[in-house]
Amino acid sequence: KNQVEQSPQSLIILEGKNCTLQCNYTVSPFSNLRWYKQDTGRGPVSLTIMTFSENTKSNGRYTATLDADTKQSSLHITASQLSDSASYICVVTSANQAGTALIFGKGTTLSVSS
Amino acid sequence: DGGITQSPKYLFRKEGQNVTLSCEQNLNHDAMYWYRQDPGQGLRLIYYSQIVNDFQKGDIAEGYSVSREKKESFPLTVTSAQKNPTAFYLCASKYSGTRDYEQYFGPGTRLTVT
Repeated sequence: KNQVEQSPQSLIILEGKNCTLQCNYTVSPFSNLRWYKQDTGRGPVSLTIMTFSENTKSNGRYTATLDADTKQSSLHITASQLSDSASYICVVTSANQAGTALIFGKGTTLSVSS
Repeated sequence: DGGITQSPKYLFRKEGQNVTLSCEQNLNHDAMYWYRQDPGQGLRLIYYSQIVNDFQKGDIAEGYSVSREKKESFPLTVTSAQKNPTAFYLCASKYSGTRDYEQYFGPGTRLTVT
């Protein structure tokens, strides 16, 4: 069964600190992996997309990694800001001749406090 | 100003009433999607449409109906048959085709049924 598991479920850090969110997946066939940021009461916004051949991709203070062998991804946030408080969702796309399916993780809720 | 709009942001209804959620996009996207988001759960696909006048059931279509009469619009009706309709509803759209294009999400509608 295709699944995406995220950890931790929630996280509280002090402003200025770094943190790393984890995403493990069992999805086949694998097409790509996206990290989304969802502010409370808003729609998700894409942060990064990674394909099978990519190991690291950065978007400002956000750096995503992908290990396709172990089927793990991480999202590292550097020098956190209050505005980073949000839910971070890992989404894996599975695509084949039958079509495309998105498998969503449950998200990690990050709270950044001053 | 391009994007996806959902209205209203908050919606309250009495049990037993049907309610229609609006989703409009001016991104010229072919495909549109409806998701439901509940606390502590990943997004779940309700319905999707790859082209005008055609739509397909997602994983949790029971109690919902949609129409796609125009490329720009994909309204979702939550019927009285939906046993637990209170949730956050997200609409998304993307280009179709063999390439896996990113889904763009609307701001969401929070429906409360009492």
